[in-house]
Amino acid sequence: SQELEQSPQSLIVQEGKNLTINCTSSKTLYGLYWYKQKYGEGLIFLMMLQKGGEEKSHEKITAKLDEKKQQSSLHITASQPSHAGIYLCGALALGGTYKYIFGTGTRLKVLA
Amino acid sequence: DVKVTQSSRYLVKRTGEKVFLECVQDMDHENMFWYRQDPGLGLRLIYFSYDVKMKEKGDIPEGYSVSREKKERFSLILESASTNQTSMYLCASSLEQAQFYGYTFGSGTRLTVV
Repeated sequence: SQELEQSPQSLIVQEGKNLTINCTSSKTLYGLYWYKQKYGEGLIFLMMLQKGGEEKSHEKITAKLDEKKQQSSLHITASQPSHAGIYLCGALALGGTYKYIFGTGTRLKVLA
Repeated sequence: DVKVTQSSRYLVKRTGEKVFLECVQDMDHENMFWYRQDPGLGLRLIYFSYDVKMKEKGDIPEGYSVSREKKERFSLILESASTNQTSMYLCASSLEQAQFYGYTFGSGTRLTVV
């Protein structure tokens, strides 16, 4: 079965530092989605990547999907305490229109 | 602002109780999902529905059932709550072509079974 592996599992950075979170799939991704979850709350959609080599940015967050569509990275520039939370990548499981699979998440803490 | 609404943010129930978790979406989405989220295990799919009165088992359906009588409402039922069902429960919905639009999640219900 297809799996998504995220790294690192947790990350503590000083405010203002850059950071990168990775999401690796065991199989080619049909589409890759990044979500952010504030502690104890639901998931908020950040970005969707579909094409190999695609890159999208929103404010200080940039997500990329590699050419082979098996790895994605989420990069935060000049991190702020508001970036703290859990970041999850998600993808549609191959062979299914309805079902997502999710990575186990990366817990980010930003120290002021 | 379109959204998915879960009826309760926090619930505390006793072992053996029948528990209903409600989820309502106002986006006319065809697909609806129930996940549970546990530390170290990520999100695991319990059940999903792609149409009214239709349901499919996810990866961990044991101990749960669902009901979708109307398009906008998807209920998760714990027939006899147990302590190992203490978890964060997340409801989500999507258009039929989920690969183009992604999921919209509710705020979650944190259930504690004592």
